[in-house]
Amino acid sequence: GDSVTQMEGPVTLSEEAFLTINCTYTATGYPSLFWYVQYPGEGLQLLLKATKADDKGSNKGFEATYRKETTSFHLEKGSVQVSDSAVYFCVLRASNDYKLSFGAGTTVTVRA
Amino acid sequence: SQTIHQWPATLVQPVGSPLSLECTVEGTSNPNLYWYRQAAGRGLQLLFYSVGIGQISSEVPQNLSASRPQDRQFILSSKKLLLSDSGFYLCAWDSDRSYGYTFGSGTRLTVV
Repeated sequence: GDSVTQMEGPVTLSEEAFLTINCTYTATGYPSLFWYVQYPGEGLQLLLKATKADDKGSNKGFEATYRKETTSFHLEKGSVQVSDSAVYFCVLRASNDYKLSFGAGTTVTVRA
Repeated sequence: SQTIHQWPATLVQPVGSPLSLECTVEGTSNPNLYWYRQAAGRGLQLLFYSVGIGQISSEVPQNLSASRPQDRQFILSSKKLLLSDSGFYLCAWDSDRSYGYTFGSGTRLTVV
């Protein structure tokens, strides 16, 4: 079945450091891919999305490119802030499916 | 604009007691509705989803149930809670399976 594998955390960074969270997926067809973010004690918020190969999603300085050849959707940010401390989930949605498949989540802590 | 409301935010219940969590969506009609659970240190697990009034699909057999008495209302219930029911429960909605969900703010349930 469809699945998502993302880099295990926790990840601890200093402010202004570069962040990469690796994500690879297994799916048939042409899934849509998402990154969700969960701040402490809150629900999940959609961070960015890409619905077809080579699409680049971007938001709040974060970027991820849908790479079909490597089945990857890595999340990157060039200069993190303390406010970026959160859990990040890589998520897949198979074509026309109701269900989202979530990665295990990566906890990111940014120190001042 | 569309909004999703979920309550209560936190709940502490004794083992064997009943449960009722409510979720409502405003600003849209005929949404797809979802209940997910996030256990401590684990990813998200889809429990139920509904594509219309009175229609419920169950993903995981357990002592929870869901109902959709109105178009924009989704209720998660249990007759007798177990310790293993503790977790963070998230309601979500969407209207287009090409994209991701919008999540509510979640209910933290602790069964004692």
